[in-house]
Amino acid sequence: DIQMTQSPSSLSASVGDRVTITCRSSQAFSNSLAWYQQKPGKAPKLLLYAASRLESGVPSRFSGSGSGTDYTLTISSLQPEDFATYYCQQFYSVPWTFGQGTKVEI
Amino acid sequence: EVQLVESGGEVVRPGGSLRLSCAASGFTFDDYAMSWVRQTPGKGLEWVSGINWNGDTTGYGDSMKGRFTISRDNAKKSLYLQMNSLTAEDTALYHCARVDSSGDWYFDLWGRGTLVTVSS
Repeated sequence: DIQMTQSPSSLSASVGDRVTITCRSSQAFSNSLAWYQQKPGKAPKLLLYAASRLESGVPSRFSGSGSGTDYTLTISSLQPEDFATYYCQQFYSVPWTFGQGTKVEI
Repeated sequence: EVQLVESGGEVVRPGGSLRLSCAASGFTFDDYAMSWVRQTPGKGLEWVSGINWNGDTTGYGDSMKGRFTISRDNAKKSLYLQMNSLTAEDTALYHCARVDSSGDWYFDLWGRGTLVTVSS
């Protein structure tokens, strides 16, 4: 199975900050990575897929990059509604696996 | 409204069985593959099982093989998960999730989940 490791596991930031979350896989693959946002008590929400492609309706302050084993989610200017937990997921090989999550707190 | 609503979660004894359901609305259900993903505070998100649009291809996470069975009824726009031989490690919030229409197995729509607790 491909292991996905996110870092950091949590971070504190302020409104307006630039935030970067990293996801590292145990096996290299080409762009088969998605990012999700989850708020307490809510369903996860797809933000990006294919490493860098923004899901429809997601604000452009979210961006993704990376290839091989290292991928990054960046929020260019953190907004109050962005405080949540973020997960990466590889869809390169079964079983599909997720990172452990990064909690973004005030 | 486009949504997925899970049901069927409850407290069950170790060794017991449970059937979860997921009702889809607002989209053409049989255009999509579907999955179950579970979530715990300790292990985070874990893919449980997936099924293609017509039900003839299924897949399972390693610890679910032989115990869980995924199925769907396109006429009822519903997804199911039959869980047998449950253990405490199956305690989790179970989400129903829609696989993106591209065929790549990421999930573009999720339900809020139904809670399964395995406890004596």
